[in-house]
Amino acid sequence: TQLLEQSPQFLSIQEGENLTVYCNSSSVFSSLQWYRQEPGEGPVLLVTVVTGGEVKKLKRLTFQFGDARKDSSLHITAAQPGDTGLYLCAGLLAGGTSYGKLTFGQGTILTVHP
Amino acid sequence: DVKVTQSSRYLVKRTGEKVFLECVQDMDHENMFWYRQDPGLGLRLIYFSYDVKMKEKGDIPEGYSVSREKKERFSLILESASTNQTSMYLCASLNREFEVDGYTFGSGTRLTVV
Repeated sequence: TQLLEQSPQFLSIQEGENLTVYCNSSSVFSSLQWYRQEPGEGPVLLVTVVTGGEVKKLKRLTFQFGDARKDSSLHITAAQPGDTGLYLCAGLLAGGTSYGKLTFGQGTILTVHP
Repeated sequence: DVKVTQSSRYLVKRTGEKVFLECVQDMDHENMFWYRQDPGLGLRLIYFSYDVKMKEKGDIPEGYSVSREKKERFSLILESASTNQTSMYLCASLNREFEVDGYTFGSGTRLTVV
């Protein structure tokens, strides 16, 4: 079983549509990150959320951390073809010594058609 | 910019071979990680290291070992490659400004074991 459940796994939409990706867990995280990965490259950090209920915006991307710090969402407004890629959520489990060891969700492959 | 360099982008090895995957970072980061990435499973942690000669098992260490003789270099070793180790391997390093910078990933090594 996956500690971080990410949904949907695949998303194919038209340019201009809105979308939301979800990341859920029964565990509490001290922080949660979202990464974006393009083919042939490693993931690149988009944002870190730390406080329960926190909302961060990055241009057309809005990230939210759940009040209980067990879930997060990524919302994209007016998606563009350049948003196409693999989106990964990753969390740092609360408590204990983790050395920055992240737990990743399965990923969401987003395709935005012109 | 921090750079994490993985020595090979593509590798094809035979079953039973000993395989070395090399990773070098150029920013004096203490923590380094090896993940494997498989469709539908996201990134799974194989091993990580928090200092020279220090290592800890991740979630799926079986069939792998690691070496960190110098701070900048973290090697992943497949003792006897098997077909179920065909995967994308990602190396990452981490500095203390975790929440700002997150992981810095290499571009990955796609390993095929035949």
